[in-house]
Amino acid sequence: DIQMTQSPASLSASLGETVTIECRASEDIYNGLAWYQQKPGKSPQLLIYNANSLHTGVPSRFSGSGSGTQYSLKINSLQSEDVASYFCQQYYNYPYTFGAGTKLELK
Amino acid sequence: QVQLMESGPGLVQPSETLSLTCTVSGFSLTSYNVHWVRQPPGKGLEWMGVMWSGGSTDYNSALKSRLSISRDTSKNQVFLKMNSLQSEDTTTYYCARGEGYGGFWFAYWGQGTLVTVSS
Repeated sequence: DIQMTQSPASLSASLGETVTIECRASEDIYNGLAWYQQKPGKSPQLLIYNANSLHTGVPSRFSGSGSGTQYSLKINSLQSEDVASYFCQQYYNYPYTFGAGTKLELK
Repeated sequence: QVQLMESGPGLVQPSETLSLTCTVSGFSLTSYNVHWVRQPPGKGLEWMGVMWSGGSTDYNSALKSRLSISRDTSKNQVFLKMNSLQSEDTTTYYCARGEGYGGFWFAYWGQGTLVTVSS
């Protein structure tokens, strides 16, 4: 199975700040990566697919980048509604695997 | 619009079998695949398996011996059955529609159903 190592596990940032969350795959996943946002008690919401494609309706302050085994999610100008947990998912190979998550809080 | 909704028992006895239903609307099961994903309370996500649009299935090898996914296209429903439940199977179970080609991400999710394994 492809292991997804996500960092940091938790993150505290101020409104307006730029934050970056990273995922490292145990092997090359050829941009087969998605990012999700999940708020407490809610289902995950897709933000990014194919490593850098913004899902419809997602604010442009979210962006994804990376290649090979290293990927990142960047949130520009952090808003209060961005407080959530974030997960990466590789879909290059089965079984699909997810990162352990990053809990983003306001400082 | 696209919707998925999980249903099933909230409580299952240890060693018993879990049966969940994912009822979909706004799309055809013969055109899209439906995946099952679970999430223990406060933890990460685990992909369980998929019902392909053609009717075949794939499972996470970690669960394959206990898991079965089927469907009824006339009722727009996908079913998950998992036997020999233990406490570590206490999680929220989601169904999600796969998007893409070759590899699939999930743009549409059900609201999730929490299943507790306890006597």
